[in-house]
Amino acid sequence: DAGITQSPRYKITETGRQVTLMCHQTWSHSYMFWYRQDLGHGLRLIYYSAAADITDKGEVPDGYVVSRSKTENFPLTLESATRSQTSVYFCASSDTDRGYEQYFGPGTRLTVT
Amino acid sequence: AQSVTQLGSHVSVSEGALVLLRCNYSSSVPPYLFWYVQYPNQGLQLLLKYTTGATLVKGINGFEAEFKKSETSFHLTKPSAHMSDAAEYFCAVSKGSSASKIIFGSGTRLSIRP
Repeated sequence: DAGITQSPRYKITETGRQVTLMCHQTWSHSYMFWYRQDLGHGLRLIYYSAAADITDKGEVPDGYVVSRSKTENFPLTLESATRSQTSVYFCASSDTDRGYEQYFGPGTRLTVT
Repeated sequence: AQSVTQLGSHVSVSEGALVLLRCNYSSSVPPYLFWYVQYPNQGLQLLLKYTTGATLVKGINGFEAEFKKSETSFHLTKPSAHMSDAAEYFCAVSKGSSASKIIFGSGTRLSIRP
Protein backbone atom coordinates (compact mmCIF):
# COMPACT_ATOMS: atom_id res chain seq x y z
CA ASP A 1 0.00 0.00 0.00
CA ALA A 2 1.21 3.49 -0.81
CA GLY A 3 1.88 5.82 2.09
CA ILE A 4 3.96 6.09 5.20
CA THR A 5 3.98 3.36 7.79
CA GLN A 6 5.48 3.01 11.24
CA SER A 7 6.26 -0.05 13.29
CA PRO A 8 5.63 -1.07 15.92
CA ARG A 9 2.51 0.92 16.74
CA TYR A 10 2.91 0.25 20.45
CA LYS A 11 6.03 -0.65 22.40
CA ILE A 12 6.82 -1.13 26.07
CA THR A 13 10.46 -1.39 27.03
CA GLU A 14 12.63 -1.13 30.11
CA THR A 15 15.05 1.60 31.06
CA GLY A 16 18.47 1.03 29.51
CA ARG A 17 17.33 -1.13 26.61
CA GLN A 18 17.93 -0.26 22.99
CA VAL A 19 14.80 0.31 20.91
CA THR A 20 14.42 0.93 17.19
CA LEU A 21 11.34 2.50 15.67
CA MET A 22 10.84 1.91 11.98
CA CYS A 23 9.49 4.26 9.32
CA HIS A 24 8.86 3.41 5.69
CA GLN A 25 7.45 5.59 2.89
CA THR A 26 6.51 4.58 -0.64
CA TRP A 27 6.50 7.99 -2.35
CA SER A 28 10.28 8.35 -2.74
CA HIS A 29 10.10 11.68 -0.92
CA SER A 30 13.49 13.25 -0.35
CA TYR A 31 12.84 14.52 3.15
CA MET A 32 11.97 12.48 6.22
CA PHE A 33 11.45 13.57 9.80
CA TRP A 34 11.09 12.17 13.29
CA TYR A 35 9.00 14.02 15.87
CA ARG A 36 7.97 13.31 19.40
CA GLN A 37 4.66 14.48 20.76
CA ASP A 38 4.23 15.20 24.44
CA LEU A 39 1.37 16.88 26.25
CA GLY A 40 1.87 20.62 26.31
CA HIS A 41 4.80 20.57 23.89
CA GLY A 42 3.15 19.94 20.56
CA LEU A 43 5.50 18.24 18.12
CA ARG A 44 9.22 18.56 18.55
CA LEU A 45 11.65 17.63 15.82
CA ILE A 46 14.20 14.99 16.79
CA TYR A 47 16.08 14.39 13.54
CA TYR A 48 15.50 14.93 9.88
CA SER A 49 17.01 13.78 6.62
CA ALA A 50 17.22 15.57 3.29
CA ALA A 51 18.21 12.47 1.32
CA ALA A 52 19.77 9.06 1.74
CA ASP A 53 22.93 9.28 3.86
CA ILE A 54 22.18 12.90 4.84
CA THR A 55 20.81 13.48 8.34
CA ASP A 56 20.75 16.41 10.73
CA LYS A 57 19.73 17.16 14.27
CA GLY A 58 16.48 18.80 15.19
CA GLU A 59 15.35 20.43 18.40
CA VAL A 60 15.67 17.42 20.77
CA PRO A 61 18.24 14.92 19.38
CA ASP A 62 19.94 13.79 22.60
CA GLY A 63 19.60 10.07 23.26
CA TYR A 64 18.51 9.26 19.70
CA VAL A 65 20.34 7.97 16.63
CA VAL A 66 19.10 7.84 13.04
CA SER A 67 20.31 6.40 9.78
CA ARG A 68 19.08 6.53 6.22
CA SER A 69 20.77 4.07 3.91
CA LYS A 70 17.74 3.89 1.60
CA THR A 71 15.43 6.72 0.55
CA GLU A 72 12.32 4.91 1.75
CA ASN A 73 13.46 3.99 5.27
CA PHE A 74 14.33 6.18 8.23
CA PRO A 75 14.74 4.21 11.47
CA LEU A 76 15.03 5.93 14.84
CA THR A 77 17.05 4.22 17.58
CA LEU A 78 16.99 4.94 21.27
CA GLU A 79 20.40 3.63 22.32
CA SER A 80 19.62 3.38 26.04
CA ALA A 81 16.00 4.19 26.72
CA THR A 82 15.07 6.47 29.60
CA ARG A 83 11.67 7.20 31.14
CA SER A 84 11.78 10.72 29.73
CA GLN A 85 11.64 9.18 26.29
CA THR A 86 8.15 7.84 26.93
CA SER A 87 6.20 9.58 24.20
CA VAL A 88 4.35 9.21 20.93
CA TYR A 89 6.73 9.26 17.97
CA PHE A 90 5.70 10.37 14.50
CA CYS A 91 7.54 9.95 11.27
CA ALA A 92 6.81 12.26 8.34
CA SER A 93 8.00 12.80 4.80
CA SER A 94 7.88 15.63 2.29
CA ASP A 95 9.35 16.83 -0.96
CA THR A 96 10.03 20.08 -2.73
CA ASP A 97 7.36 19.59 -5.35
CA ARG A 98 4.71 19.45 -2.63
CA GLY A 99 5.59 22.83 -1.13
CA TYR A 100 7.10 20.99 1.79
CA GLU A 101 3.73 19.71 2.92
CA GLN A 102 4.49 16.92 5.34
CA TYR A 103 2.77 13.54 5.33
CA PHE A 104 2.61 11.80 8.67
CA GLY A 105 2.64 8.20 9.73
CA PRO A 106 0.17 6.84 12.32
CA GLY A 107 2.64 7.10 15.20
CA THR A 108 4.34 4.76 17.65
CA ARG A 109 3.39 4.95 21.31
CA LEU A 110 6.49 4.11 23.34
CA THR A 111 6.45 3.50 27.07
CA VAL A 112 9.72 3.16 28.98
CA THR A 113 9.31 1.56 32.40
CA ALA B 1 13.90 32.35 13.73
CA GLN B 2 10.43 31.05 13.10
CA SER B 3 7.96 30.50 15.92
CA VAL B 4 4.26 29.82 16.31
CA THR B 5 1.86 30.67 19.12
CA GLN B 6 -1.56 29.11 19.36
CA LEU B 7 -3.84 31.00 21.70
CA GLY B 8 -5.89 28.64 23.82
CA SER B 9 -4.94 25.04 24.43
CA HIS B 10 -8.61 24.04 24.55
CA VAL B 11 -11.59 25.54 22.73
CA SER B 12 -15.15 24.33 23.18
CA VAL B 13 -18.03 25.34 20.90
CA SER B 14 -21.59 24.17 20.37
CA GLU B 15 -22.54 22.16 17.32
CA GLY B 16 -23.47 24.62 14.56
CA ALA B 17 -21.49 27.48 16.07
CA LEU B 18 -18.54 29.31 14.55
CA VAL B 19 -15.15 27.74 15.08
CA LEU B 20 -12.22 30.13 15.52
CA LEU B 21 -8.76 28.83 16.36
CA ARG B 22 -6.07 31.46 16.73
CA CYS B 23 -2.52 31.30 15.47
CA ASN B 24 0.19 33.96 15.47
CA TYR B 25 3.61 33.50 13.99
CA SER B 26 6.94 35.19 13.78
CA SER B 27 9.18 34.86 10.78
CA SER B 28 12.15 36.72 9.38
CA VAL B 29 11.19 35.83 5.82
CA PRO B 30 7.86 35.41 4.01
CA PRO B 31 6.50 32.27 5.61
CA TYR B 32 4.66 29.24 4.46
CA LEU B 33 1.83 28.58 6.93
CA PHE B 34 -0.04 25.36 7.63
CA TRP B 35 -2.90 24.01 9.67
CA TYR B 36 -2.88 20.31 10.49
CA VAL B 37 -5.54 18.25 12.23
CA GLN B 38 -5.00 15.21 14.42
CA TYR B 39 -7.86 12.87 15.25
CA PRO B 40 -7.50 10.58 18.27
CA ASN B 41 -4.82 7.90 17.88
CA GLN B 42 -3.90 9.08 14.40
CA GLY B 43 -1.13 11.01 12.72
CA LEU B 44 -1.48 14.58 11.53
CA GLN B 45 -3.08 15.44 8.23
CA LEU B 46 -2.98 18.70 6.34
CA LEU B 47 -6.10 20.89 6.51
CA LEU B 48 -4.79 23.78 4.45
CA LYS B 49 -1.69 25.76 3.64
CA TYR B 50 -0.68 29.23 2.57
CA THR B 51 2.36 29.66 0.36
CA THR B 52 1.89 32.73 -1.85
CA GLY B 53 -0.95 34.52 -3.60
CA ALA B 54 -4.48 34.72 -2.25
CA THR B 55 -4.47 35.34 1.47
CA LEU B 56 -7.74 33.51 2.13
CA VAL B 57 -7.07 29.82 1.90
CA LYS B 58 -9.75 27.15 1.79
CA GLY B 59 -9.09 23.68 3.06
CA ILE B 60 -10.81 20.38 3.59
CA ASN B 61 -13.95 19.83 5.68
CA GLY B 62 -15.15 23.44 5.28
CA PHE B 63 -12.22 25.06 7.08
CA GLU B 64 -10.49 28.21 5.90
CA ALA B 65 -7.75 30.51 7.14
CA GLU B 66 -6.66 34.02 6.32
CA PHE B 67 -3.05 35.15 6.19
CA LYS B 68 -2.79 38.64 7.69
CA LYS B 69 0.75 39.89 7.37
CA SER B 70 0.14 43.09 9.33
CA GLU B 71 -1.16 41.09 12.27
CA THR B 72 1.22 38.14 11.78
CA SER B 73 -1.79 35.88 12.13
CA PHE B 74 -3.22 32.82 10.40
CA HIS B 75 -6.45 32.06 12.25
CA LEU B 76 -8.51 29.00 11.32
CA THR B 77 -12.27 29.28 10.98
CA LYS B 78 -15.29 27.20 10.11
CA PRO B 79 -18.78 28.72 9.95
CA SER B 80 -20.65 25.81 11.50
CA ALA B 81 -19.07 23.18 13.74
CA HIS B 82 -19.85 19.49 13.39
CA MET B 83 -19.34 16.83 16.01
CA SER B 84 -16.78 15.23 13.69
CA ASP B 85 -14.58 18.33 13.96
CA ALA B 86 -13.54 17.38 17.49
CA ALA B 87 -9.76 16.93 17.26
CA GLU B 88 -6.41 18.55 17.97
CA TYR B 89 -5.39 21.32 15.60
CA PHE B 90 -1.83 22.44 14.97
CA CYS B 91 -0.64 25.62 13.31
CA ALA B 92 2.82 25.47 11.72
CA VAL B 93 5.26 27.75 9.92
CA SER B 94 8.22 27.20 7.66
CA LYS B 95 10.77 29.52 6.13
CA GLY B 96 8.92 29.90 2.87
CA SER B 97 10.36 28.07 -0.07
CA SER B 98 13.87 27.83 1.30
CA ALA B 99 13.48 25.27 4.01
CA SER B 100 11.93 21.89 4.52
CA LYS B 101 11.59 22.10 8.29
CA ILE B 102 8.29 23.09 9.87
CA ILE B 103 7.85 24.57 13.33
CA PHE B 104 4.65 23.46 15.02
CA GLY B 105 2.58 25.25 17.60
CA SER B 106 1.63 23.48 20.80
CA GLY B 107 -1.84 22.63 19.53
CA THR B 108 -5.46 23.49 20.33
CA ARG B 109 -7.91 20.81 21.31
CA LEU B 110 -11.35 21.50 19.85
CA SER B 111 -14.38 20.06 21.64
CA ILE B 112 -17.90 20.20 20.21
CA ARG B 113 -20.91 20.37 22.55
CA PRO B 114 -24.15 18.76 21.32
